[in-house]
Amino acid sequence: DTGVSQNPRHKITKRGQNVTFRCDPISEHNRLYWYRQTLGQGPEFLTYFQNEAQLEKSRLLSDRFSAERPKGSFSTLEIQRTEQGDSAMYLCASSPSGIGVETQYFGPGTRLLVL
Amino acid sequence: AQTVTQSQPEMSVQEAETVTLSCTYDTSESDYYLFWYKQPPSRQMILVIRQEAYKQQNATENRFSVNFQKAAKSFSLKISDSQLGDAAMYFCAYRSHHGANSKLTFGKGITLSVRP
Repeated sequence: DTGVSQNPRHKITKRGQNVTFRCDPISEHNRLYWYRQTLGQGPEFLTYFQNEAQLEKSRLLSDRFSAERPKGSFSTLEIQRTEQGDSAMYLCASSPSGIGVETQYFGPGTRLLVL
Repeated sequence: AQTVTQSQPEMSVQEAETVTLSCTYDTSESDYYLFWYKQPPSRQMILVIRQEAYKQQNATENRFSVNFQKAAKSFSLKISDSQLGDAAMYFCAYRSHHGANSKLTFGKGITLSVRP
């Protein structure tokens, strides 16, 4: 297994368009997280799944954002009616669950630019 | 809500020297985990080191060690024998112990440059 993968790596779109990103976690990890990182800042939590269940959503996740994880494998993050303020790096991470510290392993991210 | 503060935006170190990156956090919880992540330019974030709050012993990973001061809510990272490949952004992060609340809360990060 080569780790967490994300596609596409870069996305340029026009304001008002919809975009969808995909994350493939490490295969044995049942937790999956989405974060957003703007330039010069630390990542901010958006949402996370345990298997197919979405257990927590940040207030940052407006109603234009939706995330899914069908069958508890890969996940998609969709942004509808994009705005320039949505321009950021979108990071996905995965971890196992259980007792102890479950280290989150990050993917390379999808960089979104909204024109 | 927990917060993580990294007040130094940038630091520089001479190759082979030692540098310490500072981090403070605020929480009302007694059990939690702390992490340092490294994000090289245009590359993905990787874990450097982690510390469980219930452990008094400071974590060490090769050239990387932490100074964890629970009462002061301080968690600094020491990099010994700095190498050119250590140049990156470093993020301090907090995670609650409670299993249902497993998100990471990050600081703003610090950019470390290494002078040859």
